[in-house]
Amino acid sequence: GAVVSQHPSRVICKSGTSVKIECRSLDFQATTMFWYRQFPKKSLMLMATSNEGSKATYEQGVEKDKFLINHASLTLSTLTVTSAHPEDSSFYICSATARDRGPGEQYFGPGTRLTVT
Amino acid sequence: SQQGEEDPQALSIQEGENATMNCSYKTSINNLQWYRQNSGRGLVHLILIRSNEREKHSGRLRVTLDTSKKSSSLLITASRAADTASYFCVYNTNAGKSTFGDGTTLTVKP
Repeated sequence: GAVVSQHPSRVICKSGTSVKIECRSLDFQATTMFWYRQFPKKSLMLMATSNEGSKATYEQGVEKDKFLINHASLTLSTLTVTSAHPEDSSFYICSATARDRGPGEQYFGPGTRLTVT
Repeated sequence: SQQGEEDPQALSIQEGENATMNCSYKTSINNLQWYRQNSGRGLVHLILIRSNEREKHSGRLRVTLDTSKKSSSLLITASRAADTASYFCVYNTNAGKSTFGDGTTLTVKP
């Protein structure tokens, strides 16, 4: 199977600071990476889609200056939550589609739990 | 709404019983996946069913797909307390866009 990792798995930060979350495809080249956010007891909401070497496409209502996404290589995408506030506390999950797999087959990372105090 | 629909939202059964969850969607899809999530944890992939398939099995799991009705079901047979979790369907279009269902919270009582 295809493995996607996220780092860190858990982070606590103070209000006003920025936090970077990494998403890596470990054994495949990811054509596209996706970032999702999950509130407690809710489903996952797509935040943005990023393709290697190009700007991310954000879903409606997601502030691109707040959630900076960089997809520098075929195996790494980063999400930076800038000037974090307590309402940004959430579970963030990334996923990736593999270049050599069928369309729409996504492989999910284990998630990062962000707590902003 | 961005989300697909799943029902029931919550399901509580006794150990040994079967659990059925349903997922409906609105677009043409390439495939549909089912995931499990334990409370506060990441997603665990269960099954992927492609649009040209009607049924797939994996252990105690059975997934069906009816593209004419735009719906899928996940059946867990002989449930165990360890099956307690939230279950999500994710449907994927040919364009690569994925949409999550609202999820079903399953509680299996020992």
